[in-house]
Parts: sequence; C-alpha cells; structure tokens
Amino acid sequence: DVKVTQSSRYLVKRTGEKVFLECVQDMDHENMFWYRQDPGLGLRLIYFSYDVKMKEKGDIPEGYSVSREKKERFSLILESASTNQTSMYLCASSFLVGTQYFGPGTRLTVL
Amino acid sequence: DQQVKQNSPSLSVQEGRISILNCDYTNSMFDYFLWYKKYPAEGPTFLISISSIKDKNEDGRFTVFLNKSAKHLSLHIVPSQPGDSAVYFCAASARGDGTASKLTFGTGTRLQVTL
Repeated sequence: DVKVTQSSRYLVKRTGEKVFLECVQDMDHENMFWYRQDPGLGLRLIYFSYDVKMKEKGDIPEGYSVSREKKERFSLILESASTNQTSMYLCASSFLVGTQYFGPGTRLTVL
Repeated sequence: DQQVKQNSPSLSVQEGRISILNCDYTNSMFDYFLWYKKYPAEGPTFLISISSIKDKNEDGRFTVFLNKSAKHLSLHIVPSQPGDSAVYFCAASARGDGTASKLTFGTGTRLQVTL
C-alpha cells in the first residue's frame, strides 16, 4: 500500500510566522506535489517536484516555497504566514506517469 | 480559467439508486481522466480512471463514461450506499505534452446518499 504521511493534521500559527509543512512518501515515487483545498475552489496546485532538488511552480505559488533534499520528503514553506493562507494543505506523490496518492492533509489556521 | 468544471456542487440520492456525477473539460489536450473521493478531514483517494482511447471503464459499482466530442465525463455509482457520501473530484491530465503527471482538478461535487 502506498503511504503518504504529513507531519501534522492540525496546525495553528500567527500572522508573520514561518511555517513548515512536511510530507514523506514510502513508494520511491519520483513526483511529489503540494495542493491547497478551499471550499468552492477544489484542489489547486502550489508546487511540484519531479526529482530531488527540482521544483516547479504550480498555479498558485505566491507566498510559498518548497524544498526537496531527499526523494521521499517534500516540504512546503510559508515564509511569512498570512490569514489568507488558512486552508487544508494536501501532499501527493506519484511515479513519473501515474496516479497521484494523497496524504491525510494538514488543516492550517493562521490567526 | 477553469479547465475542469463540476457544475453541480451537491447531489442527494437515495440508497440503492444510481448516482451520476458530471464533469466537463475545455482543454482538448487532456487525454487521461480520474475520479477521486474525499471524506472530511482526509486526503482524496483514487477511485477510477479512464484513458481517452476508451469511452467506458468499469470497476465494481463504479463506471466512468467519457464523451470526447462533448468534452464530458460522468461517474455512475450503482447501487449507491451511505458510505459513498463524500466529495467527488474529477481530474484530468495531458499525457502527451510532457506534463503527464500534472493533474487539473474540478471544484468537487458533494454526494449525500440518504437512507
């Protein structure tokens, strides 16, 4: 079974804080993705990575950065959290051409 | 510009009946389509997929139909069960243009199966 884990299920941070969300997959997948899910907007791609140390912007990268130092780990960084970044954050992984498998999500609230 | 559209935000169906969830797309480069199911406070789980070379794919109670000329796909669940109550997301990718793994998602349809 594919397993994608995320470091926290729920997180509460203050405006201006630096926030790290971590994702780990155990299937040796090349690709990893970060999405956010908001009501009425579906899943929107923030960043993705095809390989270690490689990253590409998704549809809404502003205010976010990512890091992929090891194949199994993909981190999403909010340099200075803002209230409009309150959302459900979802990590996914896949082979180069394949179905994406998702983690359980992190519900982030920025006060 | 929403390239994948799910125009029904919600759907209510009686247990045992058929649930039909619809999805439209605008990008003619999309050639692979997926449905994901999501329960509250959980990540989406893959349900079923279809390649553009087919017009139907079936897996147990779930069938996906693809109408390429209309740029429309639908997910049929027969018979519907209370455990099917969830948000369903349609997703599409363009495998032929080098961005094979990138998915574009619709906004989701919340299905409620009533007793």
